[in-house]
Amino acid sequence: AQKVTQAQTEISVVEKEDVTLDCVYETRDTTYYLFWYKQPPSGELVFLIRRNSFDEQNEISGRYSWNFQKSTSSFNFTITASQVVDSAVYFCALSAGTDKLIFGTGTRLQVFP
Amino acid sequence: DVKVTQSSRYLVKRTGEKVFLECVQDMDHENMFWYRQDPGLGLRLIYFSYDVKMKEKGDIPEGYSVSREKKERFSLILESASTNQTSMYLCASSPLTGARRTYEQYFGPGTRLTVT
Repeated sequence: AQKVTQAQTEISVVEKEDVTLDCVYETRDTTYYLFWYKQPPSGELVFLIRRNSFDEQNEISGRYSWNFQKSTSSFNFTITASQVVDSAVYFCALSAGTDKLIFGTGTRLQVFP
Repeated sequence: DVKVTQSSRYLVKRTGEKVFLECVQDMDHENMFWYRQDPGLGLRLIYFSYDVKMKEKGDIPEGYSVSREKKERFSLILESASTNQTSMYLCASSPLTGARRTYEQYFGPGTRLTVT
C-alpha cells in the first residue's frame, strides 16, 4: 500500500522563526517520486519540488530546504526565517509506478508578524 | 507557464441538479486529473484521463463521471448533485510519464461547490 502521512495538522510560528514540516511515506516500489506543494489562501496548489528515490541529496532553494532520508522514509521541508507570506497549507505527495499522486492530509502553517 | 483554468471559482447548486465543472489546460498535457479537497482529508482523486476519450477511476468516483472529448479539456459531471458533494474541486494536468520519471502536476485555482 502507498501512503503519505503529515502528522502535523497545524503549526503556528512567529515571523523569522525556522519551521519544519514533516512528511513520512510508505511504498514498496524502489522507484518513486516525492513532491511538495504549497496552497496559499487563494486556493491554487503551487508546485515546490520533486525528488526521485535515487537522489537523496538535500536541496536548498532560498529559504526553503528539503531533507530526504530513505532510511526513515521521510521527506521533510524546512522554511528558514519564516515570513507571513509563507502562511499556507503545505502538501506532501508520492507517486510510484503511476502518473497519479497520493497526497498527505496537509499541514496548515500560520506565520504571525 | 502552464495554465490550468477552471470555469468557476464558486458555484451554488441545488440537490438533484446536474452539474458540470470544466477544466482547460494550455500546455498540450496528456494527463488530466480531478480531485476533491475536504478539510482533514487532503486531496482525493476522483478520475483521471491519460488521453482523449480515455479515463480511469480514482479513489472516489462514485457519484461522478467525466468527459474528455478534446485534449485540452476535461469535464467533471455530477449527474445528480447531493449535499455530500459540497467541496473544493481541483483540476490538474501533467505530461505523460517519461522514461524513469514522473512529472509534477499543475493545478487550476479550484471550484468551491456548494450543494444546498
